[in-house]
Amino acid sequence: KAGVTQTPRYLIKTRGQQVTLSCSPISGHRSVSWYQQTPGQGLQFLFEYFSETQRNKGNFPGRFSGRQFSNSRSEMNVSTLELGDSALYLCASSPGQSPYNEQFFGPGTRLTVL
Amino acid sequence: DAKTTQPNSMESNEEEPVHLPCNHSTISGTDYIHWYRQLPSQGPEYVIHGLTSNVNNRMASLAIAEDRKSSTLILHRATLRDAAVYYCILRDLDFGNEKLTFGTGTRLTIIP
Repeated sequence: KAGVTQTPRYLIKTRGQQVTLSCSPISGHRSVSWYQQTPGQGLQFLFEYFSETQRNKGNFPGRFSGRQFSNSRSEMNVSTLELGDSALYLCASSPGQSPYNEQFFGPGTRLTVL
Repeated sequence: DAKTTQPNSMESNEEEPVHLPCNHSTISGTDYIHWYRQLPSQGPEYVIHGLTSNVNNRMASLAIAEDRKSSTLILHRATLRDAAVYYCILRDLDFGNEKLTFGTGTRLTIIP
């Protein structure tokens, strides 16, 4: 079974630009969660989608948004990029039917904002 | 979210057992204890989880205190590949709550 894939793996943008990151979950998984990892703040939850609906949202500004498609693939978008948005963005998928499920993480997209 | 407290770092010799502690004194009756680890340059990976009883799987064992205010992840025979940051996380027994709240974790160094 293929794991969680994220594209692109690396990205360099400048302040003020916007960026879209993509995540393909494991086949059959309906829940996709996004996390931001920085050296200063560690791993922080951004949001979670299940069957195209956002179910949970972390404490991030509205510049961070996401969506999920009918095939469970998900995208997250960051508008008006700031230097502080430089981070590793991780996507995780799970079947989403039970709170005991483990989450499977992708390798992440490393975003650098100049 | 109920919080967890872990030591910042630990060291262990290769091929010896490792006991990684986690304190969660404010745990509620519906919180599951999950452990994830993050190897260098990779996303986190699931290790084990439990509620009240001790649990074993192919990767590790989880020992949960009787009052559930603390737990210990046990790696029975550490290898160099086990060098990672280990996160102890509490997950509420809520359907639809896939959110993982990561703390700072314990950075485990394995000495050859």
